[in-house]
Amino acid sequence: EAQVTQNPRYLITVTGKKLTVTCSQNMNHEYMSWYRQDPGLGLRQIYYSMNVEVTDKGDVPEGYKVSRKEKRNFPLILESPSPNQTSLYFCASSLSGTERNSPLHFGNGTRLTVT
Amino acid sequence: GEDVEQSLFLSVREGDSSVINCTYTDSSSTYLYWYKQEPGAGLQLLTYIFSNMDMKQDQRLTVLLNKKDKHLSLRIADTQTGDSAIYFCAERKVNSASKIIFGSGTRLSIRP
Repeated sequence: EAQVTQNPRYLITVTGKKLTVTCSQNMNHEYMSWYRQDPGLGLRQIYYSMNVEVTDKGDVPEGYKVSRKEKRNFPLILESPSPNQTSLYFCASSLSGTERNSPLHFGNGTRLTVT
Repeated sequence: GEDVEQSLFLSVREGDSSVINCTYTDSSSTYLYWYKQEPGAGLQLLTYIFSNMDMKQDQRLTVLLNKKDKHLSLRIADTQTGDSAIYFCAERKVNSASKIIFGSGTRLSIRP
C-alpha cells in the first residue's frame, strides 16, 4: 500500500532532550516536507527536500534539522526541544516538487509534547 | 502577502449543502487544493482546480473559483455525518511549485 509512515504517533519528552521523528515513503517520491499544525494557524512548513541531499528551510525552521540521505526517508530532528515546539507534526511527500499537479500525500501525524 | 484565509467553523444540518469558503491573496496562476483531515489522521486530498478553470465537479463536491475576487469555495451536497472533518484550502504557486500555503482550516460539524 502506498503510504507515508511517521513514527512515533505520540511522544512526550522534556526540554533539551534530543529527539528524532522518522518519516518514510514507499512511493519513490522526490519531494518531501515537514509541517507543524497548531490551532488557528493551519499548517506551517518547517523544512522541505526537493530530492536526495537537497533540503531547504520552510517558514518556521528554527529549532529543527532534517536530512535526506535516501530518497524514501526524511527524519525531523529536534536537537534541544523546547515547550513551544509542542505541536502536531506531519510529514508529506509528492512525486515532484516542480510539477504543479503533484499533490501532497500526508502521514498520520506525530503529536509531540515537550514539558 | 501570501495568506490563505478560511473561517474556522461551520455547522450544517445533515442532508443540507455545506459551503466552505477560502480567499487567497496571490494573483499569480496556481493550483488550488482542498484537503480533508479526519480526527487522528493526516490530510487527504479531496480535489483540486487550476486557476484557468472556474468550476470543477466531482460527485457530491463542487469547487468554484472566482479569480477576480481570489475566492475559492467547496460545496458538499447532501452533507453526511462522515463529512465531519477539518477542511483545508491550499495554494501552490506556478513559479514556486515547491511551496504550498495552507489556510487555517475550517472545522465542519454536522447536526442531526
